[in-house]
Amino acid sequence: QKEVEQNSGPLSVPEGAIASLNCTYSDRGSQSFFWYRQYSGKSPELIMSIYSNGDKEDGRFTAQLNKASQYVSLLIRDSQPSDSATYLCAVGVTGGGNKLTFGTGTQLKVEL
Amino acid sequence: NAGVTQTPKFQVLKTGQSMTLQCAQDMNHNSMYWYRQDPGMGLRLIYYSASEGTTDKGEVPNGYNVSRLNKREFSLRLESAAPSQTSVYFCASRDRDLQPQHFGDGTRLSIL
Repeated sequence: QKEVEQNSGPLSVPEGAIASLNCTYSDRGSQSFFWYRQYSGKSPELIMSIYSNGDKEDGRFTAQLNKASQYVSLLIRDSQPSDSATYLCAVGVTGGGNKLTFGTGTQLKVEL
Repeated sequence: NAGVTQTPKFQVLKTGQSMTLQCAQDMNHNSMYWYRQDPGMGLRLIYYSASEGTTDKGEVPNGYNVSRLNKREFSLRLESAAPSQTSVYFCASRDRDLQPQHFGDGTRLSIL
């Protein structure tokens, strides 16, 4: 069973702080990695994709990938109350079907 | 700019009833997916269609059937609904391998 592990949280950070969300995966052959944001009662929304080791920045979001250690992380700078949501880590499954394996998500709460 | 459209958005069924959840995408994507999401369980893959004309079982296929009607449409059928199938169902599509999946708004299904 190929697994993706996330701390369920909740992770509470004050407004303006950096939120750090982590994810580990078991499939060493995975080549694609995604972070989705899901507000309560809504569908998952893609916020970051990363394919190579290192950092990828998009606005206040930075995704970090370390394939040797099999982890991927998401940093949110200058956290805002509107960032309060569940963040899902998804990893591409090697083999057929173009499937993704999702973690159970980390709940982030940004407090005023 | 519809993306992935799911119908219905809400449905209440009685045990033993049948119904079909509809999904259509207008992005000319090759692959389509059906997930269910339950509290604390994350997104679990029910069935997927890697390309038009093919369907395969995911992690939790029991009690469900699917049809890839054409490249745009992928339906999920519950033949005899059970209370354990109460969940939020998401359809997603993906262009090709290594690309992210894009989700519909979901169908909230309650089975009494």
